[in-house]
Amino acid sequence: QKEVEQNSGPLSVPEGAIASLNCTYSDRGSQSFFWYRQYSGKSPELIMFIYSNGDKEDGRFTAQLNKASQYVSLLIRDSQPSDSATYLCAVNMKNYGQNFVFGPGTRLSVLP
Amino acid sequence: DGGITQSPKYLFRKEGQNVTLSCEQNLNHDAMYWYRQDPGQGLRLIYYSQIVNDFQKGDIAEGYSVSREKKESFPLTVTSAQKNPTAFYLCASSPTGTSNQPQHFGDGTRLSIL
Repeated sequence: QKEVEQNSGPLSVPEGAIASLNCTYSDRGSQSFFWYRQYSGKSPELIMFIYSNGDKEDGRFTAQLNKASQYVSLLIRDSQPSDSATYLCAVNMKNYGQNFVFGPGTRLSVLP
Repeated sequence: DGGITQSPKYLFRKEGQNVTLSCEQNLNHDAMYWYRQDPGQGLRLIYYSQIVNDFQKGDIAEGYSVSREKKESFPLTVTSAQKNPTAFYLCASSPTGTSNQPQHFGDGTRLSIL
């Protein structure tokens, strides 16, 4: 079974707030986790990747990984209207030839 | 500038027609991928190639074909056997086919039925 799940949203947050995006995955053997941002009508762009349990910070973005709970999240601090997009979680799946499985995405709306 | 170029941006297919989507990269990446995205859904893998002259089927390969004769190029043909081809097609590449390498995407091709 290969599955990556995300809440489809939309998730609405006020400007300046913290947006929290969540992703769960089924393959306990997964090693690599990626977050992509996709604006409407555009292609996905890589935001962050994380391999180890814990937090990884890059500017306003923090990725959090808990392999025991099979859970990865993306926090966006000081959310801006320009952050409004769909956020895709991608997980490599050991039982899928190490290829990526993408979640359906969470649509984030940051309200001015 | 290094990147992945997909063409055309928009493509229309007549019934019974085969069409080919182009994907070229100048990043010197070994691995290349084709995904299909339907509205409101995630990406589904059609085909992938980790090395020249070799490619593998993904989840939804039926009705599609690919070739990898050059490292830089990975064209996708949507055949007449694909009965529901309307979608957003995305080509991606990564330095190698190993799991810890992020994939980077081209701008995509939107295919519609005439």
